[in-house]
Amino acid sequence: ETGVTQSPTHLIKTRGQQVTLRCSSQSGHNTVSWYQQALGQGPQFIFQYYREEENGRGNFPPRFSGLQFPNYSSELNVNALELDDSALYLCASSFQEGTNEKLFFGSGTQLSVL
Amino acid sequence: GENVEQHPSTLSVQEGDSAVIKCTYSDSASNYFPWYKQELGKGPQLIIDIRSNVGEKKDQRIAVTLNKTAKHFSLHITETQPEDSAVYFCAASAGGSYIPTFGRGTSLIVHP
Repeated sequence: ETGVTQSPTHLIKTRGQQVTLRCSSQSGHNTVSWYQQALGQGPQFIFQYYREEENGRGNFPPRFSGLQFPNYSSELNVNALELDDSALYLCASSFQEGTNEKLFFGSGTQLSVL
Repeated sequence: GENVEQHPSTLSVQEGDSAVIKCTYSDSASNYFPWYKQELGKGPQLIIDIRSNVGEKKDQRIAVTLNKTAKHFSLHITETQPEDSAVYFCAASAGGSYIPTFGRGTSLIVHP
C-alpha cells in the first residue's frame, strides 16, 4: 500500500453539479498531483501542488480547481459537471527533492456524471 | 509537450512465457522513465524506473531498456505468472518537471 488515501471511492452526480474530491498524501510527502483516467486510457495530468502552490497544470478548463493544505492533503473541485467528466480521478503524492520523482498513487475516486 | 506512444494495447501470453511492452517518446529533454502496474480497482503502482544515464535496469523478473537515440524504451517480464495480469503504463518526464506523461496502457493477460 502507498499510504495515499482518497475519498470518496465512488460518487454519482448529475450534469451541472459541483463535486469535491479529497486526498491525503503519504507521510513526509510535499507534493500532490491529480490525474483523470478515462476508461481504457492512461492517466491525464490535471494539475500539481507543491507546498500549497500550483506547480503545473495540464490541458483542463478552469472549472477544475484545487487546493493543498498545510498538512499537504489536497482537494480537487470540479464545477458545472459535464458527462465527459465521468472518469477515475487519481491522486498521487511525492517528495520533490533533487532527482526523486517517484509518484505514489491512491486507489482513486470513480466519478459518474449522469 | 511530451507525447508517449505505447504498444501493444493488449498482450496475451502463456504462463512462463516472456512479455515485452514498447514505448516511444517525443521530447528529447525527457530523462526519467517509470513503469506502473494497475490492477483492477487500484491506482497505478510503480514497479521499475530508469534514468537516461543508464541503458538497462533489472529487478528480479522485470527489466527495462532505454534507447535515447531512438527515443524508445521497453519493459521485459520473464517467466510470467498469472498474478502479472494487469494494465501496465509507461511514462516519461523531463528533468525537474516531476510531471510524467503516460502512455495509453497495455493490458497483459497471463493464461495459466
